[in-house]
Amino acid sequence: GAGVSQSPSNKVTEKGKDVELRCDPISGHTALYWYRQSLGQGLEFLIYFQGNSAPDKSGLPSDRFSAERTGGSVSTLTIQRTQQEDSAVYLCASSYSSYNEQFFGPGTRLTVL
Amino acid sequence: AQKVTQAQTEISVVEKEDVTLDCVYETRDTTYYLFWYKQPPSGELVFLIRRNSFDEQNEISGRYSWNFQKSTSSFNFTITASQVVDSAVYFCALSENNAGNMLTFGGGTRLMVKP
Repeated sequence: GAGVSQSPSNKVTEKGKDVELRCDPISGHTALYWYRQSLGQGLEFLIYFQGNSAPDKSGLPSDRFSAERTGGSVSTLTIQRTQQEDSAVYLCASSYSSYNEQFFGPGTRLTVL
Repeated sequence: AQKVTQAQTEISVVEKEDVTLDCVYETRDTTYYLFWYKQPPSGELVFLIRRNSFDEQNEISGRYSWNFQKSTSSFNFTITASQVVDSAVYFCALSENNAGNMLTFGGGTRLMVKP
């Protein structure tokens, strides 16, 4: 079956602009995660959705970051007023349920000029 | 708080050599899960193995094997008879039962297998 898909694969934006990153999880997976991979910080957890429960936002680095998951499926990560330090690869993962293995998408490489 | 340490940032071996990637973790939880992921040059993280804290049996899958020792909080990964296609960055990760299953990753080990 299809894996986790993310779009766009690459995004270049100017400092101060807003960006939206999209994630389509594997069909039937109830848990969805966003991570960020950057040279300086490695792989960091951002936010976690499980079914219809309120998301765990404990990893979001600032209030400029937000995410939503519509209909328990597709998720959008929004970064407002982007800064250069937001440049990273944003990875989405999904799992059948919490505590199952997570399967990752190919990521969105964000470059903030 | 949970923490994963991969002390080896980079390892270089010649094809057919065996290589072990080290992973040490810290957690206060009694129920937790350990993972290994592979990130080849293409960039996509590939799931390799998941282990729960109650299962200390070693696992072998083809040329890959994993040694989980709770006494030393380690979950090491060995590749036998390495191949050039094994060249990648390997990440060890931990999730805690009481922390929503988000993964805490180690810094990764870059493995280079030379022909």
